[in-house]
Amino acid sequence: SQQGEEDPQALSIQEGENATMNCSYKTSINNLQWYRQNSGRGLVHLILIRSNEREKHSGRLRVTLDTSKKSSSLLITASRAADTASYFCAPGGGATNKLIFGTGTLLAVQP
Amino acid sequence: DGGITQSPKYLFRKEGQNVTLSCEQNLNHDAMYWYRQDPGQGLRLIYYSQIVNDFQKGDIAEGYSVSREKKESFPLTVTSAQKNPTAFYLCASSPYGQGGEDTQYFGPGTRLTVL
Repeated sequence: SQQGEEDPQALSIQEGENATMNCSYKTSINNLQWYRQNSGRGLVHLILIRSNEREKHSGRLRVTLDTSKKSSSLLITASRAADTASYFCAPGGGATNKLIFGTGTLLAVQP
Repeated sequence: DGGITQSPKYLFRKEGQNVTLSCEQNLNHDAMYWYRQDPGQGLRLIYYSQIVNDFQKGDIAEGYSVSREKKESFPLTVTSAQKNPTAFYLCASSPYGQGGEDTQYFGPGTRLTVL
């Protein structure tokens, strides 16, 4: 298992704007997941994209995966104040199912 | 109501005392995990268990102990040997072996403060 590195560390936008955050990793993966954490709460799984997929949608979320560049992006469209949270990527799929989380991107959506 | 529960939500202890954090799941998941999160930081894996009566150390196991006597329970003991135990502790579970997906489901966390 390996750690994903999220970028930027922090992002502040206005409600209604789109938010894009990126994740890079170092070695081959089977899948990559994105999680959200509201302040003081547990993480919530958002989406899983497999290594043979290039793009995946879930509601206002769009995730891309470029295995040649070892990177993924999470796009949140038409953001809302409720989207304010930290977002973590987790490259995974190893035999032990260990996920290693980075420090995340802190998204602040201003009303 | 299915999910993962952690108790208590807030816990205070004096230096030199051991304390046990509870984690219970009714999702019938095989695997369970304990993470530690410090302010502004990511999650660091303490211990994980892929099956009952078996568990492995994570990246920061020193000063912690676990048991997995039942599938639904994975308590974490923070011992007096843990040098800096004040942190937010998160428990998670995943199906592992039930379809091959790796998604983890998290509890609400326990915030431990050592006085």
